[in-house]
Amino acid sequence: DAKTTQPTSMDCAEGRAANLPCNHSTISGNEYVYWYRQIHSQGPQYIIHGLKNNETNEMASLIITEDRKSSTLILPHATLRDTAVYYCIVRARVYSGGGADGLTFGKGTHLIIQP
Amino acid sequence: SQTIHQWPATLVQPVGSPLSLECTVEGTSNPNLYWYRQAAGRGLQLLFYSVGIGQISSEVPQNLSASRPQDRQFILSSKKLLLSDSGFYLCAWSVGVLLGDRSTGELFFGEGSRLTVL
Repeated sequence: DAKTTQPTSMDCAEGRAANLPCNHSTISGNEYVYWYRQIHSQGPQYIIHGLKNNETNEMASLIITEDRKSSTLILPHATLRDTAVYYCIVRARVYSGGGADGLTFGKGTHLIIQP
Repeated sequence: SQTIHQWPATLVQPVGSPLSLECTVEGTSNPNLYWYRQAAGRGLQLLFYSVGIGQISSEVPQNLSASRPQDRQFILSSKKLLLSDSGFYLCAWSVGVLLGDRSTGELFFGEGSRLTVL
C-alpha cells in the first residue's frame, strides 16, 4: 500500500468547514483513497473513499487532485463531535485475500474542533 | 444488518496470566476478520487476519495467538501476558469477497477491549 503523509494535528472552529489534507504521491493506479476517523476510546469509523473522482456522502466530501497525489477530506460544518483522529489510507480495493486485506493505519491527523 | 461485538470491554490482568478476547459478527457470512492493537499514544497495528475457519495469518511476531473456530467468531489469546501486551484491542470484519461496486471494501470495527497488564 502506498504511504500517506498527514499533519499531526489541526484546529477548526465549530460550524466552519474542516479541511484535512493528505499526501499520497506514490499512489498507484489501482489504489483507492480511504478516510476513517477514530473518536477517543472507540473503534475507527469509515467516512468515505474514492478513486479519482470527487465523492460526497452524508458525512463528508473527498476531493482528489487530478494527478491523484493528494486529497482533502472536507467536513462542511464541523461540530464538537467531529473531534477525532482522522486517518487517510490508500489501498487497492481488489485483492485475493491475505494481509493486503487489512488496512494500514498511520498516525493520522488529530482534529480538534474549538467551540 | 451486520453487527460486530467483542468482549470483555475492559480487562485488568497480572503479568503471566492467560488472556482470551472474543469477537463475533452477525448478519454476514464468510467475512474476513482482523485483530488490531493500539498501544497508548500510538497507531493501530494489525496483529492477525483470517479469511476463513481455521485460517489465521500473523502480521507481527508476538506473545499472542488467534483462532477462528467458527465462521463468525474470532478469538485472541495469550498463555502468559507481558506488560507490553497492554493496549486497546480492536476486532474488525470486512466483506469476504468483493462484488464489484457493491462492496466499499471498508472495515467495520468493534467497540474495542482495553487490556491493562500489571
